[in-house]
Amino acid sequence: GENVEQHPSTLSVQEGDSAVIKCTYSDSASNYFPWYKQELGKGPQLIIDIRSNVGEKKDQRIAVTLNKTAKHFSLHITETQPEDSAVHFCAAILTGTASKLTFGTGTRLQVTL
Amino acid sequence: ETGVTQSPTHLIKTRGQQVTLRCSSQSGHNTVSWYQQALGQGPQFIFQYYREEENGRGNFPPRFSGLQFPNYSSELNVNALELDDSALYLCASRQGGGHTGELFFGEGSRLTVL
Repeated sequence: GENVEQHPSTLSVQEGDSAVIKCTYSDSASNYFPWYKQELGKGPQLIIDIRSNVGEKKDQRIAVTLNKTAKHFSLHITETQPEDSAVHFCAAILTGTASKLTFGTGTRLQVTL
Repeated sequence: ETGVTQSPTHLIKTRGQQVTLRCSSQSGHNTVSWYQQALGQGPQFIFQYYREEENGRGNFPPRFSGLQFPNYSSELNVNALELDDSALYLCASRQGGGHTGELFFGEGSRLTVL
């Protein structure tokens, strides 16, 4: 089955700096890669996603890149703000009849003033 | 548009007991999946229901079972609770059984097994 590795496990940046979180996946058939943000006491919330036919996607301060050959994808947050502080999870999935998300272990992002 | 709602939000059980967790899917969504999230870990897929049928299951024993009702709400049942079952149980819904669409998560039910 799919295995997703994520690093770093914790990341502290100053407000306004950039943050990068990296993930690798094992199943070359995976074709959809969402990123979720989970605030304390809440469920995960989708912040951006990318499909395997695209190399990069951007939404305001957030971007995701995908390298299918190397089987890794990254989340880039620019101009970080305190509200970006949360646990961020990457995930991978093969779309199909019983699609299940395989999550990474999470990165605790702390944006300091 | 009503989001995914779960109940109860917190509960405490003892080893050997049984628990039922409930989930109401987001309006218009016919697929519900359940995930277990242990402290400090990413969510782990338990199973998925599409149109009242289980159509996918993760690596969980048979004492984890579920149901989906005609209105697409769902239940997760866990029998013979073990200490390691202590976790946040997340329900997620989306539209469609076999195609990727954004998964919408509820806020979870936190189960503590003593």
